[in-house]
Amino acid sequence: AQSVAQPEDQVNVAEGNPLTVKCTYSVSGNPYLFWYVQYPNRGLQFLLKYITGDNLVKGSYGFEAEFNKSQTSFHLKKPSALVSDSALYFCAVRDMTTAAGNKLTFGGGTRVLVKP
Amino acid sequence: DADVTQTPRNRITKTGKRIMLECSQTKGHDRMYWYRQDPGLGLRLIYYSFDVKDINKGEISDGYSVSRQAQAKFSLSLESAIPNQTALYFCASQREGNYNEQFFGPGTRLTVL
Repeated sequence: AQSVAQPEDQVNVAEGNPLTVKCTYSVSGNPYLFWYVQYPNRGLQFLLKYITGDNLVKGSYGFEAEFNKSQTSFHLKKPSALVSDSALYFCAVRDMTTAAGNKLTFGGGTRVLVKP
Repeated sequence: DADVTQTPRNRITKTGKRIMLECSQTKGHDRMYWYRQDPGLGLRLIYYSFDVKDINKGEISDGYSVSRQAQAKFSLSLESAIPNQTALYFCASQREGNYNEQFFGPGTRLTVL
């Protein structure tokens, strides 16, 4: 079975400071990993994904994520947070080598609050 | 225009009522999904469809049914709504290939009294 854990329900950060949102995963095979963001009263928007190759993935709005196979982690980062980054962030995983990969499994979400 | 649309956006209904949520996508994707979102639980998969003739149960399909009327349309039905089905429901579409991202609709907020 595949699973995702986002250990922090909420992350608070001051505007201009670095932002990190943590994600760890579990799959039987190799993972496809995704980050999505949800703004209030909106659907989820795709930020970035890791499929293969370079462990550092760059995505939309200045976000990036680092794939670490030994730690089974895929943390989302932004060097300098903006107030407009305040939202709910979801990590998701697909197992690329089993039938479970037909489905995307989401973490519980981390709410990010960026204060001016 | 939005690529994935959902109707209605908000719905209040009573226990025992039948209700249908509709989803349309203009992206030409083969794959479509229905999720529900509950606070702290993330999104949980209800049903998914890889083409018009392929419907699959997700992790929480009990109490729900779906219909894929066309490539672009995927509806979710609650045959007899109950209060614990109160949630935010999302439809998503995806191009074929497990490495592709999903595109989500704006959601339907359903309240069952």
